[in-house]
Amino acid sequence: EVQLVQSGAEVKKPGESLKISCKGSGYSFTGYWIGWVRQMPGKGLEWMGIIYPGDSDTRYSPSFQGQVTISADKSISTAYLQWSSLKASDTAMYYCARRPVVPLGAFDIWGQGTMVTVSS
Amino acid sequence: EIVMTQSPATLSVSPGERATLSCRASQSVSSNLAWYQQKPGQAPRLLISGASTRATGIPARFSGSGSGTEFTLTISSLQSEDFAVYYCQQYNNWPPDSFGQGTKLEIK
Repeated sequence: EVQLVQSGAEVKKPGESLKISCKGSGYSFTGYWIGWVRQMPGKGLEWMGIIYPGDSDTRYSPSFQGQVTISADKSISTAYLQWSSLKASDTAMYYCARRPVVPLGAFDIWGQGTMVTVSS
Repeated sequence: EIVMTQSPATLSVSPGERATLSCRASQSVSSNLAWYQQKPGQAPRLLISGASTRATGIPARFSGSGSGTEFTLTISSLQSEDFAVYYCQQYNNWPPDSFGQGTKLEIK
């Protein structure tokens, strides 16, 4: 079965660091981009950035550039999203999703989401 | 960055009836347009890509049309499980992709 499994919910304090993960299975991890999407409570979907695990080519939305870091370890089929200093406004559900490399495609498989709560 | 605008924000339709959801792009995205369904507490699910191609396992009552800047998702005969929030997404000009703000499809 093709799936993306994300790490569990996190509760952090402002200023703390965090790294969440997204592990792919059932397919060739280096055959797809992995993107990250934010959904703040009660709000819509926001595209954060994307990585190609084959060579770690990473692209960010201008809205998230410098705010988060996306990385991947193809040896363990896992992508990551990390923050160096969390803010309360980072409280949201974060989804990873895969996208075909060729041809250009939509996000066809999504992880279950990781809820991040930042509160003092 | 391309802006995607969905209408209406909320659509009230009775089961068995047809629902038509719209999505407009601020500039042409060719046919690189996807539709997703999201139910409460669940991740989004891909319904349509390439503006009109149903994803694997998606029932035939879901259809997509359009190209350029105007797109439509039609659900021909609403089932109870179809009441959800629907998002369009362009992936033609990226980064970043852009999502619409969503249309909530509710039971009338």
